[in-house]
Amino acid sequence: GAVVSQHPSWVICKSGTSVKIECRSLDFQATTMFWYRQFPKQSLMLMATSNEGSKATYEQGVEKDKFLINHASLTLSTLTVTSAHPEDSSFYICSCGDRGYNEQFFGPGTRLTVL
Amino acid sequence: DQQVKQNSPSLSVQEGRISILNCDYTNSMFDYFLWYKKYPAEGPTFLISISSIKDKNEDGRFTVFLNKSAKHLSLHIVPSQPGDSAVYFCAAPNYGGSQGNLIFGKGTKLSVKP
Repeated sequence: GAVVSQHPSWVICKSGTSVKIECRSLDFQATTMFWYRQFPKQSLMLMATSNEGSKATYEQGVEKDKFLINHASLTLSTLTVTSAHPEDSSFYICSCGDRGYNEQFFGPGTRLTVL
Repeated sequence: DQQVKQNSPSLSVQEGRISILNCDYTNSMFDYFLWYKKYPAEGPTFLISISSIKDKNEDGRFTVFLNKSAKHLSLHIVPSQPGDSAVYFCAAPNYGGSQGNLIFGKGTKLSVKP
């Protein structure tokens, strides 16, 4: 399967700051990337879908102005958590897929802790 | 409303025995299912999948069974090994939503004891 990396793997920040998480597809041209988050003992929940060169589609309940997603190339998507608050502390995971395929390839995740 | 349900949060099995992880779904439009394995602080890795045109798919020690009439699928691992200890997620693509979006169950934590 495709190799997907995320950076950073973990980040601790103060409340009110912004944090950028990168998701890279190393050997796969990802026309579609997905951003998930997982709270403790909960399922992976889709936050948004981004298609290369177009605006992201956000799931209900996810604030698009707070979670900024950019998918400017076929190998890179970024998620910026703006004005982070402690309740944003979670495990953020990206995945890459391609149109017509059901399988997704996941990154290793980023653990965000907001103090 | 959870469209993909894994009702057992945990399962403990002895090494060498069979592990059976269950998953139920409510949306009859789902036509493809995937199982992912996840270790702590890592992203999920794809394990095995099954299309709704089949009722069984086997890959080595892993077999997935699909019962469409019952809207139920299960993952069998035999023989179970300590390295299989992880959280297993059942997922289905939601074509009605974002294309390719996967809807995940809450996961079942499998512990295989030596």
